[in-house]
Amino acid sequence: EDQVTQSPEALRLQEGESSSLNCSYTVSGLRGLFWYRQDPGKGPEFLFTLYSAGEEKEKERLKATLTKKESFLHITAPKPEDSATYLCAVQASGGYNKLIFGAGTRLAVHP
Amino acid sequence: DTAVSQTPKYLVTQMGNDKSIKCEQNLGHDTMYWYKQDSKKFLKIMFSYNNKELIINETVPNRFSPKSPDKAHLNLHINSLELGDSAVYFCASTGGTEAFFGQGTRLTVV
Repeated sequence: EDQVTQSPEALRLQEGESSSLNCSYTVSGLRGLFWYRQDPGKGPEFLFTLYSAGEEKEKERLKATLTKKESFLHITAPKPEDSATYLCAVQASGGYNKLIFGAGTRLAVHP
Repeated sequence: DTAVSQTPKYLVTQMGNDKSIKCEQNLGHDTMYWYKQDSKKFLKIMFSYNNKELIINETVPNRFSPKSPDKAHLNLHINSLELGDSAVYFCASTGGTEAFFGQGTRLTVV
């Protein structure tokens, strides 16, 4: 069964303290791995898509990497406005573009 | 310009009532979805339509019935609402890769 596990469940950082979020996945043929950001009371906002092991994508203070079993979202020198829930999702080959989500990591960045 | 919009944003209703949530996307995508986010914030797919045709129907009670009048619209009708239906429902659309989500409809059944 296709599955996504994210860790940690919650993470508290001081402003400027870099860290990484983990997304482990099991999927029958990975078509793509997606990272989203969700703010309270809003819908998930797309960040990155990764398609193959070794691929990396960057946006401002965020960098996403992918291996055959997991993905990391690295946050460099975070700011309070980076506080949100970060969701990881996978799309399996032949899955009609269905996204299978992990439970998310709640990130709080304090000044 | 909102890409994926849903109405209403909040919906409070009594058990046993029937309610609908509407969704529209202006991205020109062929595929639209309904996802449910429970109290633990876990997002799970319910339905998917591609060009008005139902292609994904996960294990969802048949009280839930999606309808797609055209590829830009996907509505969700729920009959005989139960307390356990309380959740946030998200509409999304995709052109084949990343999905774009609406703001969500918080449904509270009392």
